[in-house]
Amino acid sequence: GENVEQHPSTLSVQEGDSAVIKCTYSDSASNYFPWYKQELGKRPQLIIDIRSNVGEKKDQRIAVTLNKTAKHFSLHITETQPEDSAVYFCAALNTGFQKLVFGTGTRLLVSP
Amino acid sequence: EPEVTQTPSHQVTQMGQEVILRCVPISNHLYFYWYRQILGQKVEFLVSFYNNEISEKSEIFDDQFSVERPDGSNFTLKIRSTKLEDSAMYFCASRPGQANYGYTFGSGTRLTVV
Repeated sequence: GENVEQHPSTLSVQEGDSAVIKCTYSDSASNYFPWYKQELGKRPQLIIDIRSNVGEKKDQRIAVTLNKTAKHFSLHITETQPEDSAVYFCAALNTGFQKLVFGTGTRLLVSP
Repeated sequence: EPEVTQTPSHQVTQMGQEVILRCVPISNHLYFYWYRQILGQKVEFLVSFYNNEISEKSEIFDDQFSVERPDGSNFTLKIRSTKLEDSAMYFCASRPGQANYGYTFGSGTRLTVV
């Protein structure tokens, strides 16, 4: 089955810096890759997603890149703000099996 | 914006007791899921449900677990005889249909087994 690895487990940056979180997946049939932000005690909130027929997608300060050949995808946050502090999860979906498989999470801390 | 609603938000139960966690998915969604998250860990798939039947389940979803969609709006997760290790946040999720992969998660039920 699918396995998603995520790095780093924690990331500390200064306000205004960029943050990059990386994930790899194992199942070449996976074709949908969302990123979730989870604040303490809250539900995962979708922040951006990408499908396998696209290499990059951007939404304001957030971008996701996908390298299907290497089975890597990354989240890029520019001009980080303290309110970006949260745990970020990547995930992969094989639409044939319908279930999302999550990475292990990255705790992002943005210091003022 | 439509929401997935879960009740209760927090449930404390004695080991060995049965619990039912309730979810109301978004009304026009067709796929329903339960996930769990042990404190400080990743979100883990439990079960998917489509067309009134389980479409996939994980190895966590053993005979102690069951799901039901009793009335066309509610989607429930039952744990028959809870164990300490069942303590976790349980998230319900739904998504519209085959070509729309976007999950909407509920706010979760924190289950504490004592």
